[in-house]
Amino acid sequence: AAGVIQSPRHLIKEKRETATLKCYPIPRHDTVYWYQQGPGQDPQFLISFYEKMQSDKGSIPDRFSAQQFSDYHSELNMSSLELGDSALYFCASSIRGQGRYEQYFGPGTRLTVT
Amino acid sequence: AQSVTQLDSHVSVSEGTPVLLRCNYSSSYSPSLFWYVQHPNKGLQLLLKYTSAATLVKGINGFEAEFKKSETSFHLTKPSAHMSDAAEYFCVVSDRGAGNMLTFGGGTRLMVKP
Repeated sequence: AAGVIQSPRHLIKEKRETATLKCYPIPRHDTVYWYQQGPGQDPQFLISFYEKMQSDKGSIPDRFSAQQFSDYHSELNMSSLELGDSALYFCASSIRGQGRYEQYFGPGTRLTVT
Repeated sequence: AQSVTQLDSHVSVSEGTPVLLRCNYSSSYSPSLFWYVQHPNKGLQLLLKYTSAATLVKGINGFEAEFKKSETSFHLTKPSAHMSDAAEYFCVVSDRGAGNMLTFGGGTRLMVKP
């Protein structure tokens, strides 16, 4: 079965650079969620999109922005990167329109800021 | 507001013995509850989910969990641990008041001794 695809899987950036993470949800899933998992931490919700509109916002820094496109893929844009942004970034998708709440996670993108 | 508390940060069992990972939740609405597993350097895999149907939920790999509203608990169990069960386990809550966003517990690292 198709799963959530994230790219790239690994990314190394320097401080003050920008990064773009991409997420391709499971086909027919209408909702995308972004989570940040710092070293030794549990995942923290950043932001979600339902039918290409921002749905909920969590602890996403103002330096980050995201959007969902017409093909339902989503991109997380991160600017002015800081050392503390080094983390594993997960994307998840679900079929919210059908009232199904389970989220299926991608393998994550490991971002290292040096 | 919703929250999750995993009562043990580390649990160590011997192979072939039972596993119990404890989780208590708080939710303003009727919650959906999940257990996810994360193997080292891997993504999050859904083990099982509770969404207001049967209170005893069976998941993959022989795991099950029981929703107890009176105790606000959703403990994860397995009759016999296998070496491959060694991983980080997250108890997760989602309620409609939070727009289906997931709130993770702090995680429990399960170690399995031979």
